[in-house]
Amino acid sequence: ETGVTQSPTHLIKTRGQQVTLRCSSQSGHNTVSWYQQALGQGPQFIFQYYREEENGRGNFPPRFSGLQFPNYSSELNVNALELDDSALYLCASSRDGMNTEAFFGQGTRLTVV
Amino acid sequence: KQEVTQIPAALSVPEGENLVLNCSFTDSAIYNLQWFRQDPGKGLTSLLLIQSSQREQTSGRLNASLDKSSGRSTLYIAASQPGDSATYLCAVRGSNYQLIWGAGTKLIIKP
Repeated sequence: ETGVTQSPTHLIKTRGQQVTLRCSSQSGHNTVSWYQQALGQGPQFIFQYYREEENGRGNFPPRFSGLQFPNYSSELNVNALELDDSALYLCASSRDGMNTEAFFGQGTRLTVV
Repeated sequence: KQEVTQIPAALSVPEGENLVLNCSFTDSAIYNLQWFRQDPGKGLTSLLLIQSSQREQTSGRLNASLDKSSGRSTLYIAASQPGDSATYLCAVRGSNYQLIWGAGTKLIIKP
């Protein structure tokens, strides 16, 4: 069973630009969620997709958007990048239902300059 | 609003010691609690998942307990090794799908 993979692993962008981060979910998983982790802090929930529909969203502005594809892979898009968007972005996949274990990818380190 | 706290923020112990990491949460209406390990600059590795109806889970040298009524979980690590050095995070899942996280305990095992 393949694990969760994210790309790219590192990225440097300029303030105001747009970025797309990608995530391939673990085999057999249909739920993907995205988290932002600032240095020294726990992750913060951005949103979750279940069978291509967003079914949960954290306290992030609309310039954070996402997609889930029929193969359950996912993208996180961030528009109009700000310096504070610099963080580790983590993707997690799980099987449907609330009681299942979440498995995380290695993350994408985004630096906004 | 659910809040998760982990104490201590950092811990340094000699190799071979048994140790306990603590996690507390304010709202007992959770579906499950999960413990993770994070190495510097890396993603999260799931260690143990405890469902709300369970009291504990074990995997090798790790044992996690859950007391929902008091809003507490502990992660017990037996016979610690230098390779156990990492940041340990706990997260609870509530009814709004998201995982709510503590800030983590940074563990250093000295050879």
